[in-house]
Amino acid sequence: NAGVTQTPKFQVLKTGQSMTLQCAQDMNHEYMSWYRQDPGMGLRLIHYSVGAGITDQGEVPNGYNVSRSTTEDFPLRLLSAAPSQTSVYFCASSDRGFGYTFGSGTRLTVV
Amino acid sequence: AQSVTQPDIHITVSEGASLELRCNYSYGATPYLFWYVQSPGQGLQLLLKYFSGDTLVQGIKGFEAEFKRSQSSFNLRKPSVHWSDAAEYFCAVGAVGTGGFKTIFGAGTRLFVKA
Repeated sequence: NAGVTQTPKFQVLKTGQSMTLQCAQDMNHEYMSWYRQDPGMGLRLIHYSVGAGITDQGEVPNGYNVSRSTTEDFPLRLLSAAPSQTSVYFCASSDRGFGYTFGSGTRLTVV
Repeated sequence: AQSVTQPDIHITVSEGASLELRCNYSYGATPYLFWYVQSPGQGLQLLLKYFSGDTLVQGIKGFEAEFKRSQSSFNLRKPSVHWSDAAEYFCAVGAVGTGGFKTIFGAGTRLFVKA
């Protein structure tokens, strides 16, 4: 049972490039979320989903897109990377909100 | 909209001493409340959660938390801290948003343990 798998673990992008952070879970969880973690700011919610085909914006959605075509996968797309998006990104999944299981994170640097 | 405040950015306690980490939330109805721990360079692990019922909840690693509706608080406690408890601790509140259930985190409290 792999839990929540995030890829890649590390990524360096140039300003203006786009990329997709992958997230997959094998626990058949309905709820999935993306957070970014920056020093002193805790985890801030980017987008969340309560099931396939259902997504909504969180606290800091600008510059990011998501889709949820299957229960298992919840990719996060950076449309045009900016230095302000340098952060550690965590994907998490939950069975109806009963506490999240987190992935190991993706450390993204935008230069 | 829900929000979470963790008033202490960092706390230092001696090994063997008791610990209390503060958490205040803002939400109109009874929220779902959580505490998570993050060891250096790691992801987050759920320590405990409160949904309803008994206001004192027990978690893993000897932690407990008490929900106090009148104070909008959900403080985390441990009677005797071990050096391995040094980590960052996050309080979180879950509630129904426009797109469904979402969880918002506080800024975290970093715990240092001195010998």
